[in-house]
Amino acid sequence: SQKIEQNSEALNIQEGKTATLTCNYTNYSPAYLQWYRQDPGRGPVFLLLIRENEKEKRKERLKVTFDTTLKQSLFHITASQPADSATYLCALLGRRNTGNQFYFGTGTSLTVIP
Amino acid sequence: NAGVTQTPKFQVLKTGQSMTLQCAQDMNHNSMYWYRQDPGMGLRLIYYSASEGTTDKGEVPNGYNVSRLNKREFSLRLESAAPSQTSVYFCATLNGYTFGSGTRLTVV
Repeated sequence: SQKIEQNSEALNIQEGKTATLTCNYTNYSPAYLQWYRQDPGRGPVFLLLIRENEKEKRKERLKVTFDTTLKQSLFHITASQPADSATYLCALLGRRNTGNQFYFGTGTSLTVIP
Repeated sequence: NAGVTQTPKFQVLKTGQSMTLQCAQDMNHNSMYWYRQDPGMGLRLIYYSASEGTTDKGEVPNGYNVSRLNKREFSLRLESAAPSQTSVYFCATLNGYTFGSGTRLTVV
């Protein structure tokens, strides 16, 4: 069965540093991968999508890499700020009989310390 | 979250009671999804609807039914609630690009 693992349940970093979050998957060949941010009591918010033929994607202070050989995606937040504190989820697209379905990791909680 | 509205936000049910969770979107998206989120389990797909009038099972459909009566609305029904269905339920559209704010359900 598909398995998606995100590194350590919690990550604490100092403000201004780069946060790096990891998403590893097994038994899977995803067409693309998405990263989300989720704040307490709120629904996930879509951040970035990266396709299997793309190595890297950037959006402002965010950068995502996708290595299909290693079966891994890295999510970087540069010049981190306390406002970046949240849980970050990765999701992989899988194909079902009548459509596509995303499989989600359990998330990594990021705390940026002022 | 903008575009997807879920009601109610909170609900407490007794075991065996039934209820319907409502979801409406104003983005004219064809696909809609229902997920549940449990600690340590991540988001899991219950049911989805690729377009109006069609529905299909996800990973964890047992104990649930859905209705996609029109393009805007996709409802999730619990016919006989069980404590194992205590969870936070999210509706989403278009492969998860937009999620609702969730319904926190407790079954006692």
